[in-house]
Amino acid sequence: GQNIDQPTEMTATEGAIVQINCTYQTSGFNGLFWYQQHAGEAPTFLSYNVLDGLEEKGRFSSFLSRSKGYSYLLLKELQMKDSASYLCAVRGGYQKVTFGIGTKLQVIP
Amino acid sequence: EAQVTQNPRYLITVTGKKLTVTCSQNMNHEYMSWYRQDPGLGLRQIYYSMNVEVTDKGDVPEGYKVSRKEKRNFPLILESPSPNQTSLYFCASSPSLSSDDYNEQFFGPGTRLTVL
Repeated sequence: GQNIDQPTEMTATEGAIVQINCTYQTSGFNGLFWYQQHAGEAPTFLSYNVLDGLEEKGRFSSFLSRSKGYSYLLLKELQMKDSASYLCAVRGGYQKVTFGIGTKLQVIP
Repeated sequence: EAQVTQNPRYLITVTGKKLTVTCSQNMNHEYMSWYRQDPGLGLRQIYYSMNVEVTDKGDVPEGYKVSRKEKRNFPLILESPSPNQTSLYFCASSPSLSSDDYNEQFFGPGTRLTVL
């Protein structure tokens, strides 16, 4: 089976940097995803890691350590529109995808 | 416009009345998947399909059926809906394994289902 843990809620200040952690235990590993989901909307893709290291995409970066079963999503220069839930997901064996429950980020002025 | 569409967007039904939620994508994607999202439980995969006529169970397949007779469509069938299937359902698709873009899943807008 697969188990994914991430904090339920976080609060950060506009303009700051926030790191959202995700730990996982899986049978098979074929990549880790981060998605953003605004309330009432569909998730949208942010990043994908399959090898160890940091992937940077504009204000968003994602890190993976496969040996530690650990990933984080780093959001820089926070904006109010970044208030959303951030979902960590792992693709395991046979291409099954398991999502964490999501981290609800509130950005305050 | 490249998109995943779902119908209906909202549905209220009664226990035992068979229903189908349609999902269609216009991006020629091979991989398609259904999820349900419930408060405190996150997104859970119901079924997925790697290609036409190939479907596999996700983590919560009980009470659901799917079919993949053509690449663009992946309907979700509830033969005898029950109140515990009240949820928000998302369909998603992504390119084939051989594509560099395989990793990005595109989600439909969601279907909010209530079973009374």
